[in-house]
Amino acid sequence: AQKITQTQPGMFVQEKEAVTLDCTYDTSDPSYGLFWYKQPSSGEMIFLIYQGSYDQQNATEGRYSLNFQKARKSANLVISASQLGDSAMYFCAMREDNQGGKLIFGQGTELSVKP
Amino acid sequence: GAGVSQSPSNKVTEKGKDVELRCDPISGHTALYWYRQSLGQGLEFLIYFQGNSAPDKSGLPSDRFSAERTGGSVSTLTIQRTQQEDSAVYLCASSLSPRGGLEETQYFGPGTRLLVL
Repeated sequence: AQKITQTQPGMFVQEKEAVTLDCTYDTSDPSYGLFWYKQPSSGEMIFLIYQGSYDQQNATEGRYSLNFQKARKSANLVISASQLGDSAMYFCAMREDNQGGKLIFGQGTELSVKP
Repeated sequence: GAGVSQSPSNKVTEKGKDVELRCDPISGHTALYWYRQSLGQGLEFLIYFQGNSAPDKSGLPSDRFSAERTGGSVSTLTIQRTQQEDSAVYLCASSLSPRGGLEETQYFGPGTRLLVL
């Protein structure tokens, strides 16, 4: 079974609109961390936002917010006011306490922002 | 401050040759990770080092792959007798700590693109 599932291989959004990228995860570990990374065409992985499993509030970082629904095991990324520079691959990842420090990644969502 | 650096940025080699990939983590980061990104397999964990503890090698795909970390800083990933299926981007990351809130955030280097002919 997939540990991290990103069901949207590709998404389009109009510039200045908001977009939600979906991520669901599967773990029996009560302690884990969830991450979103952006990978532009240049190839570098850029950290966007983090959510801990015990965090009570949804994480926010500038135009990025994480819609954390623990019971549903979902951790969707919301990008507000999309910009052309947001066009990239977006990866959701999880670290489980009982698995040490390694990250497990989803397959990614390619976001294209239209002018 | 300086981010994670990797060298070389690109490497072309012939099947059967050995290659070494280098990673310089962010200064002060105790944890260092190697991942591989390929079209067919996505992003896969390979190995991680934390301080002086024994590394977690559970992601290494075969005994042709090995890695070491000297002095708690620089790491070298070695692939012996390279095969065409080893062609991928090899990414290194580091974090302040392997767990514990934002300190566990992994920051990635630019990667080494390996092509095995």
